Amino acid sequence: SQQGEEDPQALSIQEGENATMNCSYKTSINNLQWYRQNSGRGLVHLILIRSNEREKHSGRLRVTLDTSKKSSSLLITASRAADTASYFCATVPSSGYSTLTFGKGTMLLVSP
Amino acid sequence: DSGVTQTPKHLITATGQRVTLRCSPRSGDLSVYWYQQSLDQGLQFLIQYYNGEERAKGNILERFSAQQFPDLHSELNLSSLELGDSALYFCASSGAWEDTQYFGPGTRLTVL
Repeated sequence: SQQGEEDPQALSIQEGENATMNCSYKTSINNLQWYRQNSGRGLVHLILIRSNEREKHSGRLRVTLDTSKKSSSLLITASRAADTASYFCATVPSSGYSTLTFGKGTMLLVSP
Repeated sequence: DSGVTQTPKHLITATGQRVTLRCSPRSGDLSVYWYQQSLDQGLQFLIQYYNGEERAKGNILERFSAQQFPDLHSELNLSSLELGDSALYFCASSGAWEDTQYFGPGTRLTVL
C-alpha cells in the first residue's frame, strides 16, 4: 500500500525556474527520503531528512519536513533539462524495520 | 552508479514459467531489499534480508520467494508467472547502520 502521496502528479516548467513537489504521508516516521527515477531506470537517492529535522539542503535541492502535518516538500532551484525525471518520496516508519514505503511520484518535465 | 548490480536487465517469458532474478549488493552491505514497480501498484516493498536472514516481508506473493547467500548476493524467484507479474523489479542494499538504500538498475520482466 502507498504511504505517501505526491502532489502534483505532473509538473512542467522551463529551464531556470524552480520546481516544488509535495509529499504527504500517514503514519509516524523515522525519516523521509526523496529519490529520482529517470524514465524506466533505477532510483537515485537524493536526500534523507530525519523526523527531528525541519530542513535540509543538498546542492540545488532543499527539503522541508513538517511532522505535525505529516508532509514534506522538495524544492529544486534553477531547474535544468537534465532534472527531467520522476521524483518519489519514501518513508521509513518510526517503529519496525527500515523498509521504504513509496508515494506515487511526481513527473517533472523541464523544457529548454 | 550505485554499486548494486542486477541481472538480467530484461527477461521475457511465458505465463506459468519460473524465473530467477539476481542481485549483488554494494560491497560490505548486509541488507538487501526487493521492490516491485508496476503501473497500477507503483513501487512496493517485497522482502528484506539481513546477513542471510529474512528480516521483513511486504506485499510478496506466495508464488515469490527470495534468499540471501553467504556471499550476500540475493535471488528473487518468481514462479507460476502471470501476466500481472510483468513489472520492474529492483534490488536495493544498505549498510548495517545506514538508512539510505542504494538501488540497482532493475530487471524488467515481461510475461507474455
